[in-house]
Amino acid sequence: GAVVSQHPSRVICKSGTSVKIECRSLDFQATTMFWYRQFPKQSLMLMATSNEGSKATYEQGVEKDKFLINHASLTLSTLTVTSAHPEDSSFYICSASALAGRTDTQYFGPGTRLTVL
Amino acid sequence: SQKIEQNSEALNIQEGKTATLTCNYTNYSPAYLQWYRQDPGRGPVFLLLIRENEKEKRKERLKVTFDTTLKQSLFHITASQPADSATYLCALASSASKIIFGSGTRLSIRP
Repeated sequence: GAVVSQHPSRVICKSGTSVKIECRSLDFQATTMFWYRQFPKQSLMLMATSNEGSKATYEQGVEKDKFLINHASLTLSTLTVTSAHPEDSSFYICSASALAGRTDTQYFGPGTRLTVL
Repeated sequence: SQKIEQNSEALNIQEGKTATLTCNYTNYSPAYLQWYRQDPGRGPVFLLLIRENEKEKRKERLKVTFDTTLKQSLFHITASQPADSATYLCALASSASKIIFGSGTRLSIRP
């Protein structure tokens, strides 16, 4: 139980294009989904928290107009990196929790490797 | 500022020995601490959670201790196996559920 998937697992795009990453909870309803970014040999950094049907809450320093988050259903959240640039290349990981805002019950997806050329 | 340090970037030990990983923190009062395993190119997998009022937690070959006076958690893997080789992350969360992660310790178990 508590399986979270992400699609795609890997994406390469040209600078200036937009990329959408999907995060799905497969066997539970995710009231809250979290989006993280991880650079090589660095820790996971929380980018934003999204609750189903509400606007996402972004962490300090994360541009909400660049990283668009939609959490329209209890099983799906999407992260769109708009006008991607090489410095956006990173490993993006989502997690999902059935309990609102609870990081002690979050389950992580397998991650999406984004490479911007 | 809040800081988490996992004091070894990498740790190499012999199969069968106990691996001990350390997580120290400063300027933080966590409500709980978690340990995760992360394999290359994969998302973290939850292992154990220990709350501020708990001293020790065990799960099979894993043991976690939490000393809020020393501001330190120790993570032990007993009877280590090559399959335990991975990066291990500690994470702290306040009661507001704002979580911060350490940068991880890469553990290698040699046969």
